[in-house]
Amino acid sequence: KQEVTQIPAALSVPEGENLVLNCSFTDSAIYNLQWFRQDPGKGLTSLLLIQSSQREQTSGRLNASLDKSSGRSTLYIAASQPGDSATYLCAVSLVGNTDKLIFGTGTRLQVFP
Amino acid sequence: DGGITQSPKYLFRKEGQNVTLSCEQNLNHDAMYWYRQDPGQGLRLIYYSQIVNDFQKGDIAEGYSVSREKKESFPLTVTSAQKNPTAFYLCASRGPTGRPSGANVLTFGAGSRLTVL
Repeated sequence: KQEVTQIPAALSVPEGENLVLNCSFTDSAIYNLQWFRQDPGKGLTSLLLIQSSQREQTSGRLNASLDKSSGRSTLYIAASQPGDSATYLCAVSLVGNTDKLIFGTGTRLQVFP
Repeated sequence: DGGITQSPKYLFRKEGQNVTLSCEQNLNHDAMYWYRQDPGQGLRLIYYSQIVNDFQKGDIAEGYSVSREKKESFPLTVTSAQKNPTAFYLCASRGPTGRPSGANVLTFGAGSRLTVL
């Protein structure tokens, strides 16, 4: 059974720091992996999607990497800003059932001025 | 602007009542999904539909029902059989983005918070 874990559960950093959020999954037979952002009481916004054949994806100050063999993904946020404060979730979709996303429990990030 | 609209945003229900959460999308997406989110847990899939007039159970379908009579609409009914319905409910749809990879990305609504009194 695929399980997705995110560490740390919460993170508080000063503005300007570079930071790394971690996501690990138990079964390497994934179709793709997505990173989402969720603001309090809101829906999810897709940030980056990495196909299983890819190693990384970049969007602005965000960079997501994927190491399928070790079951790990990282989300790197450069030069963090208070507006980055949110919960970040990763989710994997499964080979043979791409409609079913398995979500991690998220990392709650606070960036203070 | 294209997107997903969920209503109501907040809903209170007495025990034993059925309630229906609305989800409408104007993205022309074929696939639609319902997730449940509880504090400290990841999102869990309730039901999904890949095409009109067809839907499949997710991991926690018991106590819920759905319909997909129109491409744009995928309402979720929380029945009295659902023993612990207080949660945040999220609707999503999936379709191609304009990205070069052609990867399908999930688009989420703003959510509906259901509280049982």
